[in-house]
Amino acid sequence: KAGVTQTPRYLIKTRGQQVTLSCSPISGHRSVSWYQQTPGQGLQFLFEYFSETQRNKGNFPGRFSGRQFSNSRSEMNVSTLELGDSALYLCASSLAVLNTEAFFGQGTRLTVV
Amino acid sequence: AQTVTQSQPEMSVQEAETVTLSCTYDTSENNYYLFWYKQPPSRQMILVIRQEAYKQQNATENRFSVNFQKAAKSFSLKISDSQLGDTAMYFCAFMKHVTQGAQKLVFGQGTRLTINP
Repeated sequence: KAGVTQTPRYLIKTRGQQVTLSCSPISGHRSVSWYQQTPGQGLQFLFEYFSETQRNKGNFPGRFSGRQFSNSRSEMNVSTLELGDSALYLCASSLAVLNTEAFFGQGTRLTVV
Repeated sequence: AQTVTQSQPEMSVQEAETVTLSCTYDTSENNYYLFWYKQPPSRQMILVIRQEAYKQQNATENRFSVNFQKAAKSFSLKISDSQLGDTAMYFCAFMKHVTQGAQKLVFGQGTRLTINP
């Protein structure tokens, strides 16, 4: 069974640009969550999607957005990139509402220059 | 809001020794879950062990066990017979129980554990 797949693995962008990251959950998983990991702030929750609906959002500016498709694949988008957006972005998937085990992908390392 | 605190930024032990990582949390919830995740240099977060707050018995997974003290809001991880492959960042995480709605993990700052040969 394939794990959570995140693409691309590495990305370098310039300030002011926008970026789209992709996450394919484990087959059958309907919940996808996104986390930002930085040395200073640690791991912070961005948002979670279930059945194409955003159910919860962390404390991030509106430049951070996401969506989920009918096949449960999810994308997150960051517009008007800032240097502080440089981070490891992790995606996690889980089975259903009562399932508490989250499986993580290997992340996308975003560097903003 | 929930908070998770790991007071040990780094730890180092010799192979085969036992090591305990500390975690405290703050919440007003009565029903929740606690986790320890491991993040090796490959960056992938791997679930090590989980504990349901309503269970008094401490969770155990092979060489990994927890000491869950609900009243003290403490959740430590003990690694027995440590191996070189245990070298990683370890994160303590909290999730409140929900029957419907988002499953959101709140993480501690992490403890970098090094196992020396």
